Amino acid sequence: EPEVTQTPSHQVTQMGQEVILRCVPISNHLYFYWYRQILGQKVEFLVSFYNNEISEKSEIFDDQFSVERPDGSNFTLKIRSTKLEDSAMYFCASSDFGGNTEAFFGQGTRLTVV
Amino acid sequence: AQSVTQLGSHVSVSEGALVLLRCNYSSSVPPYLFWYVQYPNQGLQLLLKYTSAATLVKGINGFEAEFKKSETSFHLTKPSAHMSDAAEYFCAVSSGGGADGLTFGKGTHLIIQP
Repeated sequence: EPEVTQTPSHQVTQMGQEVILRCVPISNHLYFYWYRQILGQKVEFLVSFYNNEISEKSEIFDDQFSVERPDGSNFTLKIRSTKLEDSAMYFCASSDFGGNTEAFFGQGTRLTVV
Repeated sequence: AQSVTQLGSHVSVSEGALVLLRCNYSSSVPPYLFWYVQYPNQGLQLLLKYTSAATLVKGINGFEAEFKKSETSFHLTKPSAHMSDAAEYFCAVSSGGGADGLTFGKGTHLIIQP
């Protein structure tokens, strides 16, 4: 069964460092998303990506964040200068036809900023 | 703007008893509604979705949900709880636009008592 895969599963980084979280969406999907879940809080939408560009982004997705699809399979989230409050579980998701269809989620990357 | 309210951060039921997890939404457009389940250390898995077809939606693992526009609700039910149902459950809403992200509720932790 096709699945969304994320690497690494856990990343620890020092405050101020850049991190790149990686995702391989399901191969025939067209829409890609990043969400985050701070411990004990709800899952929050960060950004959606379609046709090689950002389609929508939330107020959380400020200039410190960027996304890229560097090749035909990977979808990355970069945080330029991490802050303590960036510590969270980050989920990648993909869907075939967008908002009214099922989004398939990866298992997440737990980012810990120290 | 959209929002989701899940009443009860924790719900405890006995094995074999009815499961009822409450979800109310707010949306300025006809909504698409989803229930996702998250097992420990795993990603989010779709249980069921409402996309303007039948108001009673059946999902996986014996769960179902009924869309009630007049009550702006989309409560999740299961007639008989099983120990394996213990997990975190998230209700989510989307406007259905192509690249729209999901707006999640805070989640309900379902505890099954033996």
